[in-house]
Amino acid sequence: DTEVTQTPKHLVMGMTNKKSLKCEQHMGHRAMYWYKQKAKKPPELMFVYSYEKLSINESVPSRFSPECPNSSLLNLHLHALQPEDSALYLCASSQDHWRVDLPLHFGNGTRLTVT
Amino acid sequence: QQPVQSPQAVILREGEDAVINCSSSKALYSVHWYRQKHGEAPVFLMILLKGGEQKGHDKISASFNEKKQQSSLYLTASQLSYSGTYFCGTDLIQGAQKLVFGQGTRLTINP
Repeated sequence: DTEVTQTPKHLVMGMTNKKSLKCEQHMGHRAMYWYKQKAKKPPELMFVYSYEKLSINESVPSRFSPECPNSSLLNLHLHALQPEDSALYLCASSQDHWRVDLPLHFGNGTRLTVT
Repeated sequence: QQPVQSPQAVILREGEDAVINCSSSKALYSVHWYRQKHGEAPVFLMILLKGGEQKGHDKISASFNEKKQQSSLYLTASQLSYSGTYFCGTDLIQGAQKLVFGQGTRLTINP
């Protein structure tokens, strides 16, 4: 069982809908990440939060809006998505974004389908 | 800059060995290795840092050649549970973790 919990597991939404993905960890980690993974491709970094502040935005379209209400919780708000945004969205956490010797702990992901 | 993994896919019989390579055209500060089974989260295997060290646990080990900007993952006497897609992730920024993953190597272990 993963220690990073993502909800929902599956989400189907229309292009005009607004929805949110949720990620939670209780390991005391201070860095949280959103990755996008298309089928048979590697995870691609979208956003990094470090100590609850947005540290990295990999030029992600504004229809994706991240939020980190506290150190345990990470949300990804979705609005006016396109069918090509359908993918597995992975949340990850690590103890400290500023150290490269620490592993990422991934959640099981939310499989998003945009119709 | 995405690291390049080779081979793209490997099919083995249980008990055989495998080597997966990861190379970068940029200087590396660390190399991470993860395994992802179908429909599951990537699972951390190990991290190698600058200094050419080698790490291992159980029958999985890895090396990091800083000068060649390469890392290799060695799976010895493979087990059915080793099946999955292996990703290397590289840090190109000193002092911050911003992993860029290779395209993955799909490993299939048959009985």
